[in-house]
Amino acid sequence: NAGVTQTPKFQVLKTGQSMTLQCAQDMNHEYMSWYRQDPGMGLRLIHYSVGAGITDQGEVPNGYNVSRSTTEDFPLRLLSAAPSQTSVYFCASSYKGGQGGYGYTFGSGTRLTVV
Amino acid sequence: KNQVEQSPQSLIILEGKNCTLQCNYTVSPFSNLRWYKQDTGRGPVSLTIMTFSENTKSNGRYTATLDADTKQSSLHITASQLSDSASYICVVSGGNRDDKIIFGKGTRLHILP
Repeated sequence: NAGVTQTPKFQVLKTGQSMTLQCAQDMNHEYMSWYRQDPGMGLRLIHYSVGAGITDQGEVPNGYNVSRSTTEDFPLRLLSAAPSQTSVYFCASSYKGGQGGYGYTFGSGTRLTVV
Repeated sequence: KNQVEQSPQSLIILEGKNCTLQCNYTVSPFSNLRWYKQDTGRGPVSLTIMTFSENTKSNGRYTATLDADTKQSSLHITASQLSDSASYICVVSGGNRDDKIIFGKGTRLHILP
């Protein structure tokens, strides 16, 4: 039981490049989310999904796309990287989401630098 | 505006001492409140979760309290250990959607030997 696995752990991109941050969970959780964490700020929700085939925008969705074709995987795509997207990205999953009293399990994070 | 405010921003204490971290929130409606511990370079890990009807929850040396009337929570750490050095994040869930989860900025705790 690996929990939530994020890859890569570190990435450097040039402005304008695109890439996909991978997230996979093996706990059969319905809910999955992507957050970014910047110095001096709380985690901010980018996109989330309440089940396969369903996604919705969070607080800071611009510049990011997601898809949820399977329960296990929830990749985050950066369409055209910008320096403002330099951050640490966390993927999280939960059995029934934050409101259901079930805690979120977080991945170990992807540290992205855009130069 | 839904907000979660934590204090202090950072705290330094000696190993073995107790400490209390504070969380004030204005999230409404209220569903539940969690405290997470985040070690440097790692993702947050859940410590406690409390719903409206609960006013205290313990997890080993961590005890969280909740006053839903004043919208305040605290996390008390007893007999601190070096491994307690981390950021502690208060997270409040409001409503029925995941975009209603509000994260505090965290309190950075340093335990000195």
